[in-house]
Amino acid sequence: KQEVTQIPAALSVPEGENLVLNCSFTDSAIYNLQWFRQDPGKGLTSLLLIQSSQREQTSGRLNASLDKSSGRSTLYIAASQPGDSATYLCAPEGGGADGLTFGKGTHLIIQP
Amino acid sequence: EAQVTQNPRYLITVTGKKLTVTCSQNMNHEYMSWYRQDPGLGLRQIYYSMNVEVTDKGDVPEGYKVSRKEKRNFPLILESPSPNQTSLYFCASSLWGGWNQPQHFGDGTRLSIL
Repeated sequence: KQEVTQIPAALSVPEGENLVLNCSFTDSAIYNLQWFRQDPGKGLTSLLLIQSSQREQTSGRLNASLDKSSGRSTLYIAASQPGDSATYLCAPEGGGADGLTFGKGTHLIIQP
Repeated sequence: EAQVTQNPRYLITVTGKKLTVTCSQNMNHEYMSWYRQDPGLGLRQIYYSMNVEVTDKGDVPEGYKVSRKEKRNFPLILESPSPNQTSLYFCASSLWGGWNQPQHFGDGTRLSIL
């Protein structure tokens, strides 16, 4: 059964810093890994999807990497802004029926 | 606007009173699923549906039912709710399941079972 760990559980930094959020998973037989953002009182917003054959994906100030063999992914946030404050969730997706398995998230606060 | 819509957003009810949480998507997605989110446990999948008339259990299906009679709708049914089903529920959809398609989530339904 897939298990997903996210470190750190919480992070508070001043605006402008570059950040790295870590995600590890136990079963490397995945189709892809997705990073989501969750704002209070809202659903999840998909940020990046890295296919199992890819090493990284970029969207604006966000860059996600995937090392499937070692069961690790990182989300890099450049030049953080207060609007980046949210909970970030990683979720590897197994084949077809397995769906997404979520980590417990990293609660990020960017201080103005 | 492409979206997944859940109703109600909030509900307080009592043990044993049947309830249905509706989920509808307007993106012509084949795959739909339900998750619950609990403090300290994260998001866990309840049921999923690969396409119309095909549903299957996720990790925590006990006490829930679903149906997929048409592509756009995937209601979650609690026949006899109990306090341990108090949770935040999310519906999600994607074009296909397991085919590298991003999942789209609704805004959530907060259920309190007294």
